[in-house]
Amino acid sequence: EPEVTQTPSHQVTQMGQEVILRCVPISNHLYFYWYRQILGQKVEFLVSFYNNEISEKSEIFDDQFSVERPDGSNFTLKIRSTKLEDSAMYFCASSRELSSPLHFGNGTRLTVT
Amino acid sequence: RKEVEQDPGPFNVPEGATVAFNCTYSNSASQSFFWYRQDCRKEPKLLMSVYSSGNEDGRFTAQLNRASQYISLLIRDSKLSDSATYLCVAPSNSGYALNFGKGTSLLVTP
Repeated sequence: EPEVTQTPSHQVTQMGQEVILRCVPISNHLYFYWYRQILGQKVEFLVSFYNNEISEKSEIFDDQFSVERPDGSNFTLKIRSTKLEDSAMYFCASSRELSSPLHFGNGTRLTVT
Repeated sequence: RKEVEQDPGPFNVPEGATVAFNCTYSNSASQSFFWYRQDCRKEPKLLMSVYSSGNEDGRFTAQLNRASQYISLLIRDSKLSDSATYLCVAPSNSGYALNFGKGTSLLVTP
């Protein structure tokens, strides 16, 4: 069964550094998402992406965040200047249609020190 | 009303018990809903989709009440392996995102 893959599985970075989290969505899916989950808290929506542009973003997705689909397969989340409170599990997801369920990757655990 | 609300639990039940989780959503125009299961420190995994009044898959039954904007998940004959957090998911008010509830924690004991 096709899977969403995310790399790296764990990223440690210093406060103020830039990080790029990478995702390869399922190949015939058209909608792409990033979510985050701070340890012990709920899964929070960050951004959705369709047809090479952002469809919706949450209040969390401020100017320090950006997403890109640089080629036909990768979908990246960039955090420009990381803060301690950015430490979380970041999940990428994709879906075939807007009303379809999301398929999640295994996540990238980001630790900001 | 928050977009998706769930009773956080925890629910502690013995093996073989029947347990039900409830969820309310705010977007009355929503057409599709989902229940996901999340194990500790893992990604959410799809358990069931709910597109009409309900759905049944083995021991799991999901029901949708559009008038009350309410979704439920029923688990019959609980197994130890059912221990997890169950996440209710509904479309955002714009429809371009899926929002997760805080999750309901289930612990099935021998």
